[in-house]
Amino acid sequence: GIQVEQSPPDLILQEGANSTLRCNFSDSVNNLQWFHQNPWGQLINLFYIPSGTKQNGRLSATTVATERYSLLYISSSQTTDSGVYFCAVVSGAGSYQLTFGKGTKLSVIP
Amino acid sequence: GAGVSQSPRYKVAKRGQDVALRCDPISGHVSLFWYQQALGQGPEFLTYFQNEAQLDKSGLPSDRFFAERPEGSVSTLKIQRTQQEDSAVYLCASSLVWGAISYEQYFGPGTRLTVT
Repeated sequence: GIQVEQSPPDLILQEGANSTLRCNFSDSVNNLQWFHQNPWGQLINLFYIPSGTKQNGRLSATTVATERYSLLYISSSQTTDSGVYFCAVVSGAGSYQLTFGKGTKLSVIP
Repeated sequence: GAGVSQSPRYKVAKRGQDVALRCDPISGHVSLFWYQQALGQGPEFLTYFQNEAQLDKSGLPSDRFFAERPEGSVSTLKIQRTQQEDSAVYLCASSLVWGAISYEQYFGPGTRLTVT
């Protein structure tokens, strides 16, 4: 099956700093989503981005499908951005389930 | 509108007991997924429904796990004779689907199962 690798595994930021999270995948994808898992365990949808670039406030994401990677940018980080960020993909004909990476644990300190 | 809901939010079971976990998907969503998330890991796929049809159950870890969606809306994940290794968060997700297109999945809050 498809492999999804996220980096870095852990990231500590000072409030106000910017960061880039990376997701590499080993095969072509039909769907790519970025999630934020908050401290209560809820997976919050950030982006549905199988290709191209999207922006939502301080967050933006870019997927370069031909090169098999996606990037999540967080600008002017806030303490509420803390949590685990997951990249997940759907790959393969007739396949609909998401395969998740191991996540990036982000800690934003005041 | 209402998101995906799951119940109970927490469940403690003694080893050997049967448990049933419920998922209410977003209204109108054809696809429903169950995932299992162990501590410190990303969610892993268990099974997939399109309407009432279970199209993929390749992720179910053993024949003690059983899922159903009899009317194409609410789904139940049942675990028989629970074992300690079943302790995890069980997540439900739903999405639209049309042909070969895989649409955005939305997740519920999960059920945290602890087997003692």
